[in-house]
Amino acid sequence: QKEVEQDPGPLSVPEGAIVSLNCTYSNSAFQYFMWYRQYSRKGPELLMYTYSSGNKEDGRFTAQVDKSSKYISLFIRDSQPSDSATYLCAMRRGNNRLAFGKGNQVVVIP
Amino acid sequence: ETGVTQTPRHLVMGMTNKKSLKCEQHLGHNAMYWYKQSAKKPLELMFVYNFKEQTENNSVPSRFSPECPNSSHLFLHLHTLQPEDSALYLCASSQDRDGRYEQYFGPGTRLTVT
Repeated sequence: QKEVEQDPGPLSVPEGAIVSLNCTYSNSAFQYFMWYRQYSRKGPELLMYTYSSGNKEDGRFTAQVDKSSKYISLFIRDSQPSDSATYLCAMRRGNNRLAFGKGNQVVVIP
Repeated sequence: ETGVTQTPRHLVMGMTNKKSLKCEQHLGHNAMYWYKQSAKKPLELMFVYNFKEQTENNSVPSRFSPECPNSSHLFLHLHTLQPEDSALYLCASSQDRDGRYEQYFGPGTRLTVT
């Protein structure tokens, strides 16, 4: 079983729709959970960072962590064409290496 | 320059060539990382340096040789690569290895091995 599972998509939505992305994981020791956004020909940039279970909101972005189900989600409200990118989930415990999902390509159609 | 920079941005090399990738961070960080990103695969951590000391080698073949002369610079020396080594090579840095600290990525070097 892979450490982190993420459906690579692609996912196409009309402008203004809600984008819903998720990852599942197998290692219950993960403590830190992240979502990175990667535009074409760029490196990943950190979008959301959460510690342990719960919700975190930042503008149009909401990250959810459910440790009991080993499931994390990212929601993008009122999606814009500029949100078109690949979204990577990542997680780690302590000083250990980041474990990434494969990335989910999102296309927001104007 | 700010953030994490990488040169060259694109590199095409034959299997018998020797080349080097360069990474520089202008963030005052102490930890630096090399990652490999291949299509349809998760990012793979290759090497970690903390305060110039290599702290992790993720079973990377010896044809990849990292060098970290100081906390701001990281190199990846390449020799006798294989076509399957073609990928995007990303450098990242963070305050240190503690999981509390965000990793900042460079734009990557797109490597093609012919």
